[in-house]
Amino acid sequence: QVQLQESGPGLVKPSETLSLTCTVSGGSISSYYWSWIRQPAGKGLEWIGRIYTSGSTNYNPSLKSRVTMSVDTSKNQFSLKLSSVTAADTAVYYCARANDMDAFDIWGQGTMVTVSS
Amino acid sequence: EIVMTQSPATLSVSPGERATLSCRASQSVSSNLAWYQQKPGQAPRLLIYGASTRATGIPARFSGSGSGTEFTLTISSLQSEDFAVYYCQQYNNWPQTFGGGTKVEIK
Repeated sequence: QVQLQESGPGLVKPSETLSLTCTVSGGSISSYYWSWIRQPAGKGLEWIGRIYTSGSTNYNPSLKSRVTMSVDTSKNQFSLKLSSVTAADTAVYYCARANDMDAFDIWGQGTMVTVSS
Repeated sequence: EIVMTQSPATLSVSPGERATLSCRASQSVSSNLAWYQQKPGQAPRLLIYGASTRATGIPARFSGSGSGTEFTLTISSLQSEDFAVYYCQQYNNWPQTFGGGTKVEIK
C-alpha cells in the first residue's frame, strides 16, 4: 500500500527557509495531486498547497509569497520550501495525497518543525 | 476564503451512544466535504468524502450527510477507539479549508 514519509530539519532559524521532502513508497507518484498541510501544536489544520506530477501548483494565498513546491518523479518525491520563517510557522507538517474527489486519503506521519534561534 | 465552523467544540458521549457532529460552511461547498478523525500523535485519517461516501475500510457506524452549507457526521454507536478529534474540510473552493475540530470525549 502507498505510504508517505516526511523528512527534513526539525529546527529552523527565524528568517531562514524551511525545507521538507515527502517520499512516496509502495506506489507511483504519477497522476495524483500531492499536498502539504500543517498543524500548530493543539490547533487545527492548515492547507499549504499542492503539486501535480506535471509540476503545476496551487498555493494557499495566505502563504503564497513564501511557498515553493517541486516534484521529482524519478525519486518518487515532492518537496516544500517555506521562506522567511517565523515562530508562527512552528508546526507539525504533513504531506498527503488527494484522491479523485480531492479529499486527502493518504497522509504521512508528520514531522515537527520548530522555528527558533 | 470559506470558513468552516464545527460544533460543538467538545462532545461528551458514553460508549455505545450515538454522536452527532455538525459542520457549517460560510458559503455553499456543494457536496465537496470530507471528514477526518485524528487521534493524539497521529495524522488525520479520512473517514468520509463527497459528504457521504465512506473511505476504504471505514466502519459502517460512521455516516455523513448534508450538502450546500450544512453537514453532519454521525457515529451510530461509539466504540472506545472512536474517541478522538474530528475535522471537516471543504475542497470546493480555493484554498481548501478545515473546520476547527470537534473533540469527542468519554462521558
